[in-house]
Amino acid sequence: GIQVEQSPPDLILQEGANSTLRCNFSDSVNNLQWFHQNPWGQLINLFYIPSGTKQNGRLSATTVATERYSLLYISSSQTTDSGVYFCAVTNLRRDNYGQNFVFGPGTRLSVLP
Amino acid sequence: SAVISQKPSRDICQRGTSLTIQCQVDSQVTMMFWYRQQPGQSLTLIATANQGSEATYESGFVIDKFPISRPNLTFSTLTVSNMSPEDSSIYLCSGQLGTSVRFYNEQFFGPGTRLTVL
Repeated sequence: GIQVEQSPPDLILQEGANSTLRCNFSDSVNNLQWFHQNPWGQLINLFYIPSGTKQNGRLSATTVATERYSLLYISSSQTTDSGVYFCAVTNLRRDNYGQNFVFGPGTRLSVLP
Repeated sequence: SAVISQKPSRDICQRGTSLTIQCQVDSQVTMMFWYRQQPGQSLTLIATANQGSEATYESGFVIDKFPISRPNLTFSTLTVSNMSPEDSSIYLCSGQLGTSVRFYNEQFFGPGTRLTVL
């Protein structure tokens, strides 16, 4: 099945700093999503971005599907940005029946005041 | 978007017992899924909950251990059977919008059920 890697695994930032999180995947994908899991465990949808670039406030994301990676940019980080950021991808199974929906291992972000 | 609720939000259970988790979506969704997140780990797909038919399980998960129901397009249950401490995890339900199972669309997640097995 498809493999998903994320880097860095851990990241500590001072409030106000910028960062880039990366997601690499091993096969072509139909969908790609970025999630933020807050300290209470809730998964929050950040971007649905199988290709192209999107922006939402201080966050933006770019997926280059042909090169099999996606980037999540966080600008002017705030303490509320702390948590784990997951990339998740979907592709067709080899037998064309059903889909794989695979999460990466996540990037744990800590933003210090 | 879709708003998804789960009950219970957390529970502490004894070894050997079973727990049923409920998932309710505020709108009709094409597909519903159940995931497990073990402590400090990423999410792993348990199964796809199929409306009106048996769930489709991923490798390593079986129906006897994780029976799933989906009686309609907005509701599903997951039962964790004959629990052991290794089943202590967060269990999350998700719904996928879209009009066709072959056009994979955005998934939205419930708040999760935090299960501790003693």
